[in-house]
Amino acid sequence: KAGVTQTPRYLIKTRGQQVTLSCSPISGHRSVSWYQQTPGQGLQFLFEYFSETQRNKGNFPGRFSGRQFSNSRSEMNVSTLELGDSALYLCASSLLGQGKETQYFGPGTRLLVL
Amino acid sequence: GESVGLHLPTLSVQEGDNSIINCAYSNSASDYFIWYKQESGKGPQFIIDIRSNMDKRQGQRVTVLLNKTVKHLSLQIAATQPGDSAVYFCAEKTSYDKVIFGPGTSLSVIP
Repeated sequence: KAGVTQTPRYLIKTRGQQVTLSCSPISGHRSVSWYQQTPGQGLQFLFEYFSETQRNKGNFPGRFSGRQFSNSRSEMNVSTLELGDSALYLCASSLLGQGKETQYFGPGTRLLVL
Repeated sequence: GESVGLHLPTLSVQEGDNSIINCAYSNSASDYFIWYKQESGKGPQFIIDIRSNMDKRQGQRVTVLLNKTVKHLSLQIAATQPGDSAVYFCAEKTSYDKVIFGPGTSLSVIP
C-alpha cells in the first residue's frame, strides 16, 4: 500500500504571495490532518478534514485554509504569506480520525518564504 | 497554535545501551498517547501507542510507560542502535480527537 504523499516537496515563495499544498492519503483513509512544524514552535495542529468537511481546527489565523475532495485528497492554502510561515507542512492520514487510531505522516512540504 | 514548550532536549547514548526518553503531557483528559520517531528530512513515523487504561505496553525493543498521576510518559529503547538516532515526539489525543505533540527529544547514538 502506498504511503501518504505530499506535493510539492519544496517550495520558495515571497511575502504576500499565496501557496497551495497537496496531500494524498493512504488508500481507504478518510481523515486527513495538517500540521505545521518549525524549530521554535514544534509540531502544531492546523486542521483535520473528514468526508470533505473540516472537523477540527487549531489556533491559526484565517490565512490558513484547507479543503478535502471526494477521493479524500486534501489541499491546504496559505494566503498573504509572511516570513513566519516558513516551515515544514506535514499531512497525516488515518481511517476515520477518531478514537485510538494511528495517524500516518507524509514526508512534508518544506516552504520557505523570502 | 497549540504546542508544548520551545526547547528541544537532547539525549546521547552509547550504542548497545538502553535509552529512556521522557515526556510530560498537558491534558489530564487525554486517553490515547503515541510515540513518533522523526528522522532528518522525513515525516514522523509511528513507533508505539498506549491507551489510558494501561500503564505499560511493549513492542519490539521499545516499551512505553504511562503514569497518569503525574501526567508522564516515557519511551524505553532497548539495545539502542545507530539507526535509532532521530527526534522522538510524544503525542496525546484529546477528547476532541485533536493530536497535541510534545516538543520532541533528539536522540544521538554514539557508535
